[in-house]
Amino acid sequence: DTEVTQTPKHLVMGMTNKKSLKCEQHMGHRAMYWYKQKAKKPPELMFVYSYEKLSINESVPSRFSPECPNSSLLNLHLHALQPEDSALYLCASSQDEGSARTFNEQFFGPGTRLTVL
Amino acid sequence: GENVEQHPSTLSVQEGDSAVIKCTYSDSASNYFPWYKQELGKRPQLIIDIRSNVGEKKDQRIAVTLNKTAKHFSLHITETQPEDSAVYFCAASDYGGATNKLIFGTGTLLAVQP
Repeated sequence: DTEVTQTPKHLVMGMTNKKSLKCEQHMGHRAMYWYKQKAKKPPELMFVYSYEKLSINESVPSRFSPECPNSSLLNLHLHALQPEDSALYLCASSQDEGSARTFNEQFFGPGTRLTVL
Repeated sequence: GENVEQHPSTLSVQEGDSAVIKCTYSDSASNYFPWYKQELGKRPQLIIDIRSNVGEKKDQRIAVTLNKTAKHFSLHITETQPEDSAVYFCAASDYGGATNKLIFGTGTLLAVQP
């Protein structure tokens, strides 16, 4: 299996809802990422997990809460979101977080299209 | 921190022509430069990458060149086809360094006219 999968494909939620985005990979990768992508913009890094530990948090608001239950799974828990949080949320994985010797390619999932009403 | 500029923002070419997209970066410590292609409604996919110890890399119709002194790198697509139409993002990273993450350019919408 050489793909990163994400569920759901689409999600519509109200500002008081709690929902979760899920990401899965079975490539044995030990680094996993959450990105946010607005229309016609590049992906913006939100979080990085390396060996199941949070490695980077790009000062993301606490209404986004990441979780890495095991090396194959990555969740993003959403609570009290704002309409401006509507975007495509992309998960990615790489062999590890990368080093000057490896430069590991990041494989992206298809994304979850989130709409906050 | 690292900043990546990408030009042009849109590019229209006739089928069979060449397309060139250019990026500049600010952090001289950057050592890895991938290019991603994103078709409408699809995921970004790596099409080619280059490391700082290499000046040029080719893969069939796609090539990337890197000028470390000038801190810029370019994507060259020859014999363009309609299926090359997509948004292309360059990125830079200082893997193993201070930030160790991908910084993306602003994207180029390439339209190949049949």
